[in-house]
Amino acid sequence: AQSVTQPDIHITVSEGASLELRCNYSYGATPYLFWYVQSPGQGLQLLLKYFSGDTLVQGIKGFEAEFKRSQSSFNLRKPSVHWSDAAEYFCAVGARYDYKLSFGAGTTVTVRA
Amino acid sequence: NAGVTQTPKFQVLKTGQSMTLQCAQDMNHNSMYWYRQDPGMGLRLIYYSASEGTTDKGEVPNGYNVSRLNKREFSLRLESAAPSQTSVYFCASSPNTSGPKETQYFGPGTRLLVL
Repeated sequence: AQSVTQPDIHITVSEGASLELRCNYSYGATPYLFWYVQSPGQGLQLLLKYFSGDTLVQGIKGFEAEFKRSQSSFNLRKPSVHWSDAAEYFCAVGARYDYKLSFGAGTTVTVRA
Repeated sequence: NAGVTQTPKFQVLKTGQSMTLQCAQDMNHNSMYWYRQDPGMGLRLIYYSASEGTTDKGEVPNGYNVSRLNKREFSLRLESAAPSQTSVYFCASSPNTSGPKETQYFGPGTRLLVL
């Protein structure tokens, strides 16, 4: 079965600074990988996903993520953070023959002025 | 389009009471899912329905039942609530026309407190 680890529980970043959130997955084959964002009191919204092709994936709100098979990682990045990026971010992995997703525990991002 | 809607938004139950969480989607999606979200544990899949007429257990199905009433609606029932079921419950749906790589669309959640 697939699994996801998000090593950072909480990250604080200054507005305008860069942000990187780490995600490591465990799966025997090439996985489907997703990043979702959850604003306070809201449901989850998809930021981006990877399932094949170019390993650098662009998403909404200026986010990007890079799939590195050798490191079993799918880290999320944003060059310049805005106050509205304060939220909880979840990495998820799916198997190619299974509709279930496995989510990481999440990383909470705080943006300071 | 409303997307995925869930009712109620918030509920308080006493131990042993029963209740049903409702979920509906207006996107003509085939697959629907129920997750629970607990602090430090991310989202865990309770049950899912790959298509109308089918349901399958997820990671944490004990204490729950589901009904795929029709293509739009997927309900989650707690027959005898326990404090361990205090959580935030999310319903999601996906098209299921091109496989597992599809995006899942989430509802706003139901906060359940079991005393």
